[in-house]
Amino acid sequence: QKEVEQDPGPLSVPEGAIVSLNCTYSNSAFQYFMWYRQYSRKGPELLMYTYSSGNKEDGRFTAQVDKSSKYISLFIRDSQPSDSATYLCAMNYYGNNRLAFGKGNQVVVIP
Amino acid sequence: DAMVIQNPRYQVTQFGKPVTLSCSQTLNHNVMYWYQQKSSQAPKLLFHYYDKDFNNEADTPDNFQSRRPNTSFCFLDIRSPGLGDAAMYLCATSGQTYEQYFGPGTRLTVT
Repeated sequence: QKEVEQDPGPLSVPEGAIVSLNCTYSNSAFQYFMWYRQYSRKGPELLMYTYSSGNKEDGRFTAQVDKSSKYISLFIRDSQPSDSATYLCAMNYYGNNRLAFGKGNQVVVIP
Repeated sequence: DAMVIQNPRYQVTQFGKPVTLSCSQTLNHNVMYWYQQKSSQAPKLLFHYYDKDFNNEADTPDNFQSRRPNTSFCFLDIRSPGLGDAAMYLCATSGQTYEQYFGPGTRLTVT
């Protein structure tokens, strides 16, 4: 079993829809959770960083963490064509500099 | 703006010809990382520096070396590039918290 599971998609949605992305993980030691957005041929851009269970909002983006279920989510409200990218979840824990990544989820927002 | 800078953005080298990729950061972070990312895959950690302490991943080929002459700069040396080394190479940094910030990447082509 991989440490982090992320359904690679791709996921196509119409403009204005809510995009919902999920990752599950097996290592209960993970405590820091990140979502990255990566446009084609660019480096990953940190979107959200959280370290506690619950929700964190930043504009149209909401990151949700459920440590009891080992499950994290990213929601994108009012999706725009510019949100078309690959979204990677990543996580680590105190004292461990290595990020465990999901495989990435390709999202296409159709105008 | 504080950032992670990678040069060059595109590098073409010949099979077996040594190549050096560079990374600099203005974030004053103490940890710097080198990742390899191939198409439709998550980034794969090659090694990282915690200050001057070098940490090599067990499955990183000997063909890959790194230098960190000071806090701001880090280099990736590929001693004898093979066709399988064609990829995007990503530099990242992290500081007192555990999220990582990536540079734009260097796309390496091996002919």
